[in-house]
Amino acid sequence: AQRVTQPEKLLSVFKGAPVELKCNYSYSGSPELFWYVQYSRQRLQLLLRHISRESIKGFTADLNKGETSFHLKKPFAQEEDSAMYYCALRASGTYKYIFGTGTRLKVLA
Amino acid sequence: GAGVSQSPRYKVAKRGQDVALRCDPISGHVSLFWYQQALGQGPEFLTYFQNEAQLDKSGLPSDRFFAERPEGSVSTLKIQRTQQEDSAVYLCASSLAAGGNTEAFFGQGTRLTVV
Repeated sequence: AQRVTQPEKLLSVFKGAPVELKCNYSYSGSPELFWYVQYSRQRLQLLLRHISRESIKGFTADLNKGETSFHLKKPFAQEEDSAMYYCALRASGTYKYIFGTGTRLKVLA
Repeated sequence: GAGVSQSPRYKVAKRGQDVALRCDPISGHVSLFWYQQALGQGPEFLTYFQNEAQLDKSGLPSDRFFAERPEGSVSTLKIQRTQQEDSAVYLCASSLAAGGNTEAFFGQGTRLTVV
């Protein structure tokens, strides 16, 4: 069965510190992996997808098929990064997203 | 338009009452999705439309849940005889193309509370 695991419900870091939000998945095929972000009182929005291999707002994520992970990283956290982050998987050729339970990131001044 | 619009933003229903939740997708978007997000959980897939065709309703939790998109634009999710376990945020998303190859844009959701 397809599953996405985000082991941390809450992650607090100080401004300027590195951030890593963990995401592990289980899927036997070739997945598409995404990170979605929800800022306070805003809608869920796409942050990045692994196939584009781009950096958005300083965040990067690398798909590690050996470890079945897609951790989200940023070298220097900013206060405006405080939000709820969801990792999501989509099986290739399908349209359904399978979401993790989310990690709330708090960046402290 | 301004994005995917959902109404109402909040709905309180008495147990046993029927509710209808509306989604206005981005104009021209072919694909439309409904997700259910319970408190402390990630969104869970309910159903998928490609234009007016409901191609997948495998995520609907019971036959009390019904969704339609009769003209391939606005969609309505109806829940009959609401139960407390139906309390959740219902999210609608749309994407430009058929299938899953283009970005899905989410609405702000409807928070349903069944009392």
